[in-house]
Amino acid sequence: GNSVTQMEGPVTLSEEAFLTINCTYTATGYPSLFWYVQYPGEGLQLLLKATKADDKGSNKGFEATYRKETTSFHLEKGSVQVSDSAVYFCALNHQAGTALIFGKGTTLSVSS
Amino acid sequence: SAVISQKPSRDICQRGTSLTIQCQVDSQVTMMFWYRQQPGQSLTLIATANQGSEATYESGFVIDKFPISRPNLTFSTLTVSNMSPEDSSIYLCSVEGSRLQETQYFGPGTRLLVL
Repeated sequence: GNSVTQMEGPVTLSEEAFLTINCTYTATGYPSLFWYVQYPGEGLQLLLKATKADDKGSNKGFEATYRKETTSFHLEKGSVQVSDSAVYFCALNHQAGTALIFGKGTTLSVSS
Repeated sequence: SAVISQKPSRDICQRGTSLTIQCQVDSQVTMMFWYRQQPGQSLTLIATANQGSEATYESGFVIDKFPISRPNLTFSTLTVSNMSPEDSSIYLCSVEGSRLQETQYFGPGTRLLVL
């Protein structure tokens, strides 16, 4: 079946450090891939998405590239800020109108 | 995107009681979903709320425990019935539709604590 695997957290970084959160997936066909972010005490916000192979999603300095050959969608940011501290969820959707399948989430903590 | 509101934002309830959570979106959407996020965990789909018909439940979730209504294309409710401490979670609704480019957007969540 379809599944998403994220690197275990927590990830602790200093401000301005480079961030990578690994995400790999297992799916039939060509799913859409997403990163959502959950700030403390809040709901999920869409961070970025990619709908086909080699697409790059980007938002707020974050990027992720849909790599079909490695079934990956790693999240990167060149210089993190304290305000990026949150839980990050990788997710896939194999068909529009169906449920998202989430990874377990990765907690990022950035200190100044 | 979509503007989604949920009520209540949080509640503390006694075991054995029921709580109804409302989800309102600012425009008509095709799909509405209800998810549960247990403390420190990822999200699990409870059910898909179908407009004009019974909700479609995921394995492990039943209508008697989580009745859902969807009277129109902008509104849905989830009731958590006969609550126990194990129901303490964040409950989130999400919406999707062609206008939203087949992307799910989430409400702010309802934080429920059952004593």
